Amino acid sequence: SQQGEEDPQALSIQEGENATMNCSYKTSINNLQWYRQNSGRGLVHLILIRSNEREKHSGRLRVTLDTSKKSSSLLITASRAADTASYFCATDGGGGGADGLTFGKGTHLIIQP
Amino acid sequence: GAGVSQSPSNKVTEKGKDVELRCDPISGHTALYWYRQSLGQGLEFLIYFQGNSAPDKSGLPSDRFSAERTGGSVSTLTIQRTQQEDSAVYLCASRPGRSTDTQYFGPGTRLTVL
Repeated sequence: SQQGEEDPQALSIQEGENATMNCSYKTSINNLQWYRQNSGRGLVHLILIRSNEREKHSGRLRVTLDTSKKSSSLLITASRAADTASYFCATDGGGGGADGLTFGKGTHLIIQP
Repeated sequence: GAGVSQSPSNKVTEKGKDVELRCDPISGHTALYWYRQSLGQGLEFLIYFQGNSAPDKSGLPSDRFSAERTGGSVSTLTIQRTQQEDSAVYLCASRPGRSTDTQYFGPGTRLTVL
C-alpha cells in the first residue's frame, strides 16, 4: 500500500521559479528519500534525509522533514526545463532494508520555458 | 561505473505465457530489490534479497510470481501464466549493504500482457 502521499499531484511553473512538493506518511521511519523519474522509467536518487535531521541541501534542492507531522517537503530553486519529471518520496522504515521502500504516488512537475 | 541493468527493456507477451525478467545489480552490492510500477497501484515493493539469504516472498502479488538470485548477484523475476493485470514496469534496485540506505535503480522492464 502507498504510505507516502505527495501533493500536489501535478505542478506547472515557469522556468526560473521555485517548485515545492510535499509528502506525508503514516508510520515511523528510519529515513525519507526523494527520487526523480523521467518518462516513466528508472528512478534517480536525489536526496536522503534521516529521521533525526530536519533539513538538508544538495545543490538547488532543499528537503525538510517534520517527524511530528510526518511530513516532508522538496524545494527545487531556480527551476529549469530539464527539471520536468515526476518526483516521488519514499520512506524506509528501517529493519535493515528488508521491507523495501514505500513510495508515494508522485508529483508530476512541468517547467514551462 | 556501470549502474543497475535490466533486460529486456520491453516485453510484450500473450496472456497465459511465462516471462522472465533479469536484473544485474551494481557489482559488489549485496542487497537487491524488485518493485513494480503500474497505473493503478503506483510503485510497490515486491521482494528483497540480502546476499544469498532466502528472500521474504510475502510481498509478491500472487503465487505466479517467483524470484531468485544466483550467486548473490544476478536476479530473475519470473511470472507464470501472465495476466493482463501484470502489465507494468518492473524495476530493480541494488544497495551496497546495510550501512548505506540509498537504493540505485535500473531502467526497468516494461511488460505488456495482451
